[in-house]
Amino acid sequence: KNEVEQSPQNLTAQEGEFITINCSYSVGISALHWLQQHPGGGIVSLFMLSSGKKKHGRLIATINIQEKHSSLHITASHPRDSAVYICAARRNYGGATNKLIFGTGTLLAVQP
Amino acid sequence: DVKVTQSSRYLVKRTGEKVFLECVQDMDHENMFWYRQDPGLGLRLIYFSYDVKMKEKGDIPEGYSVSREKKERFSLILESASTNQTSMYLCASSLYNQPQHFGDGTRLSIL
Repeated sequence: KNEVEQSPQNLTAQEGEFITINCSYSVGISALHWLQQHPGGGIVSLFMLSSGKKKHGRLIATINIQEKHSSLHITASHPRDSAVYICAARRNYGGATNKLIFGTGTLLAVQP
Repeated sequence: DVKVTQSSRYLVKRTGEKVFLECVQDMDHENMFWYRQDPGLGLRLIYFSYDVKMKEKGDIPEGYSVSREKKERFSLILESASTNQTSMYLCASSLYNQPQHFGDGTRLSIL
């Protein structure tokens, strides 16, 4: 079993729909990251959170530390939101760096 | 804005060749990472470096080595390329405990 699990693996939505992508993890973490990868490869960091909720534009990320669960929400979805969304956990090792454990990603297609 | 630059977007090499993938960042980040990304497996860490000349193995270091002679540059070396190393390779950099900034990736094919 992967230490970071995402669901669903694939998601198709109609423009304007509210979208939720889920991430569960089984290890102790110091932070949870949400990343976006568009076709062609480039990965962009959307959020880093360790508690509560963060919002940026139409994107909202939440985390429940006790339940070891995070969600990424997209309100009023648009075709330009089509991408792979990746959840990554920064494990609680200590040490000199911030190694991440990645989920396998959710492929989102928003149709006009 | 942070810029992480990978030397090639696409690369085709032959089995047995020694392959160098270069990554340069312009933000004085201590940490640099090399990942490979394969369908259904997500990103997997090959090696990382937390300072010049310092390196640690990631989850899948076999068949790879790295070099970090200068803070801004982190090189991934495939000592003797094999077909199972055909993949997308991504470099990233970060400050300690801050989000990682990724390059655009190198799609490497080993024939």
